[in-house]
Amino acid sequence: DAGVTQSPTHLIKTRGQQVTLRCSPKSGHDTVSWYQQALGQGPQFIFQYYEEEERQRGNFPDRFSGHQFPNYSSELNVNALLLGDSALYLCASSLWQGSAYEQYFGPGTRLTVT
Amino acid sequence: AQSVSQHNHHVILSEAASLELGCNYSYGGTVNLFWYVQYPGQHLQLLLKYFSGDPLVKGIKGFEAEFIKSKFSFNLRKPSVQWSDTAEYFCAVNARNRDDKIIFGKGTRLHILP
Repeated sequence: DAGVTQSPTHLIKTRGQQVTLRCSPKSGHDTVSWYQQALGQGPQFIFQYYEEEERQRGNFPDRFSGHQFPNYSSELNVNALLLGDSALYLCASSLWQGSAYEQYFGPGTRLTVT
Repeated sequence: AQSVSQHNHHVILSEAASLELGCNYSYGGTVNLFWYVQYPGQHLQLLLKYFSGDPLVKGIKGFEAEFIKSKFSFNLRKPSVQWSDTAEYFCAVNARNRDDKIIFGKGTRLHILP
């Protein structure tokens, strides 16, 4: 059973460019969340997708957008990249279990903006 | 707003020493609590979780955590650490609601001396 997978592993972009990161959830999971982990910090919630809709959003600008496909995989898009967008981007998938749920994290995509 | 505070940013211990990492959270409702670990070069992994029931939770690799509701705390403990426990540890919380995001602390970097 494959866990959460993300691609690419590493990415280098220039300021002003656009980037797309991809995530495949753990088999059977229907919800995907994206997090940004800056160096020396804990992950920060960007947004969450369920049934192909953005269900919740953290404190990130509209330059950050996403999409979820019918097979539950997801993309994170960032436009007009800034140096401060350099971070590890984590995808987490989950499935409702009774009154609570648990998120499984992927290995992340390391984005460097120069 | 929800928040998580981890008391120690960097902890250095010798092998066989006992470990306690402090974590306090701020949230007015019912929560789920987590400790995640990130070993060097590896992805974020769940160490243990508390959803309900016995407030003393046992996780993998000999770790345990105690939920003290009156103190809004969820401290992580291990009686005898090993060199392989060198990693970054994140305390996290989310509301007892499937749509809610996970809020992470800033992490504690643990370094075990052989």
